[in-house]
Amino acid sequence: NAGVTQTPKFQVLKTGQSMTLQCAQDMNHNSMYWYRQDPGMGLRLIYYSASEGTTDKGEVPNGYNVSRLNKREFSLRLESAAPSQTSVYFCASRLQGAADTQYFGPGTRLTVL
Amino acid sequence: EDQVTQSPEALRLQEGESSSLNCSYTVSGLRGLFWYRQDPGKGPEFLFTLYSAGEEKEKERLKATLTKKESFLHITAPKPEDSATYLCAVQTGGATNKLIFGTGTLLAVQP
Repeated sequence: NAGVTQTPKFQVLKTGQSMTLQCAQDMNHNSMYWYRQDPGMGLRLIYYSASEGTTDKGEVPNGYNVSRLNKREFSLRLESAAPSQTSVYFCASRLQGAADTQYFGPGTRLTVL
Repeated sequence: EDQVTQSPEALRLQEGESSSLNCSYTVSGLRGLFWYRQDPGKGPEFLFTLYSAGEEKEKERLKATLTKKESFLHITAPKPEDSATYLCAVQTGGATNKLIFGTGTLLAVQP
């Protein structure tokens, strides 16, 4: 039981390049989330998927797109990377029950030059 | 506007020196308050969930409490391995169950 996994762990892009961050969970959770973490800002929600087949914008969605591929996988795409997107990205998942706890992956550290 | 504020930003303790971290919040409709621990280069690790004022939860040297306006994370006789950033988050009402995070308290416990 790996929990929430993310790939890659590190990535360096040039301005304008595109990439997709992958996230998968093996806990049979319904909801999945993408956050970014910047110094002094705390974790901020980019997009989330309450259930398979649905996605919604969070607090900072501009410049990103997401795909809920199936119940296990939720990807985040940067179509044209900008230096302002340099950050650490975390994926999380939640069962959607009384506990309502979100469990986080190990993160992807992205640098855009 | 929903807001979560953690204090202090950083705290340095000697091993065995007990202290508390604070998380104050202003939200419309609290559904739950969460504490996470985050080690450098790692993702947040879940510690506790508190749902109503007066609730308390304990795990080893950590004890979390909740009032109507704030939560405290009490650390009793800390050890160097307790060094980490501690994050507080609140879950507001509504179907989306979004979390609003504070900026964290960086705790360093010196031997």
